[in-house]
Amino acid sequence: SAVISQKPSRDICQRGTSLTIQCQVDSQVTMMFWYRQQPGQSLTLIATANQGSEATYESGFVIDKFPISRPNLTFSTLTVSNMSPEDSSIYLCSVEVWAGEKLFFGSGTQLSVL
Amino acid sequence: SQQGEEDPQALSIQEGENATMNCSYKTSINNLQWYRQNSGRGLVHLILIRSNEREKHSGRLRVTLDTSKKSSSLLITASRAADTASYFCATDVIKAAGNKLTFGGGTRVLVKP
Repeated sequence: SAVISQKPSRDICQRGTSLTIQCQVDSQVTMMFWYRQQPGQSLTLIATANQGSEATYESGFVIDKFPISRPNLTFSTLTVSNMSPEDSSIYLCSVEVWAGEKLFFGSGTQLSVL
Repeated sequence: SQQGEEDPQALSIQEGENATMNCSYKTSINNLQWYRQNSGRGLVHLILIRSNEREKHSGRLRVTLDTSKKSSSLLITASRAADTASYFCATDVIKAAGNKLTFGGGTRVLVKP
């Protein structure tokens, strides 16, 4: 299993600013993922955070808007850049532990952009 | 469009009743998983069923999988108020970067005391 600390848990931000979300895992993990969940919707995968290399983005998401870092096997950050009200969502960090198939999730970051 | 589609979108039942929700998907899968999300929080893994399995149990949960119909169901027996949550099915999608899960739209379940 894995225990994930994600912060901040919520934030209210102004249009045009950026917010960095942190995800810390209590053990080394193979895969780390970032998801977005818009109000009342399902989860959409933003990108896979690769350790030591550039993240792999899903269709519709770009590095300039959602830069991701993963400096080691236990930590990753997601930045939401140049925010607009359309970026208001819950952002979720998730991990897959070694040879596992299920995902463990952080508690999410509820972002509101005014 | 999403790999998994769930119905109903919302379900309201009395405590003690059973809750059933369904998930349909489009492409072949290795496994299908169910997750629970309490309001505005992270998801918690409930159960995983592999493509060569037809039924699986875990406590009050029963999951079925019909690969010929590309569908799955989650049954919660003897529901409790604490079961109030959104439930999501997720299917694995094999890509070059590794397996990734694709989530369905979710079913919001309200269990009234």
